[in-house]
Amino acid sequence: RKEVEQDPGPFNVPEGATVAFNCTYSNSASQSFFWYRQDCRKEPKLLMSVYSSGNEDGRFTAQLNRASQYISLLIRDSKLSDSATYLCVVNMEGAGNMLTFGGGTRLMVKP
Amino acid sequence: DTAVSQTPKYLVTQMGNDKSIKCEQNLGHDTMYWYKQDSKKFLKIMFSYNNKELIINETVPNRFSPKSPDKAHLNLHINSLELGDSAVYFCASSQDTSRTNEQFFGPGTRLTVL
Repeated sequence: RKEVEQDPGPFNVPEGATVAFNCTYSNSASQSFFWYRQDCRKEPKLLMSVYSSGNEDGRFTAQLNRASQYISLLIRDSKLSDSATYLCVVNMEGAGNMLTFGGGTRLMVKP
Repeated sequence: DTAVSQTPKYLVTQMGNDKSIKCEQNLGHDTMYWYKQDSKKFLKIMFSYNNKELIINETVPNRFSPKSPDKAHLNLHINSLELGDSAVYFCASSQDTSRTNEQFFGPGTRLTVL
């Protein structure tokens, strides 16, 4: 079983749609959680951290369910520029700042 | 003002050759990393250095040797390149080893081994 699992997609949605991505992680000792965004042939960039109480940043809302080991990302009012791969990222307990990445979910927003 | 830079951007080479990839960050960070992203797009940690000291080595073959001459640089040397080494290699840095710290990635080096 992969440590961080995501549906690879692609999710094809029209502009203005609301879309949600889910992610599960296997290690219950995981401490920190993030969503990174990766555009085609570019480097990953932090989209947002995910906090236990859930958090929102503009059109983006992240939720964490530690009991179910489940993380979600909701994007409201999708824009063409949201088209990218969204990477669910977990930081395990232990030495260093070692990020474990999911395989990513590809989003394509169409006009 | 590039925060994390890598050279070269593309590297095409023959099996058996030795090559190096350089990474520099101008963010004043203490911690640097090397990641490998394979053809299936999975991004995996290879190494982590904190203040020039190795702190993570994720079962990478010893053909891969990172070197950190100072905390702003983390280079990756690969000996006896194999076909399976073809991938995109990303360098990253973070303020320190705190688990809540954002990691900033370089633009990647696309390595193709023929």
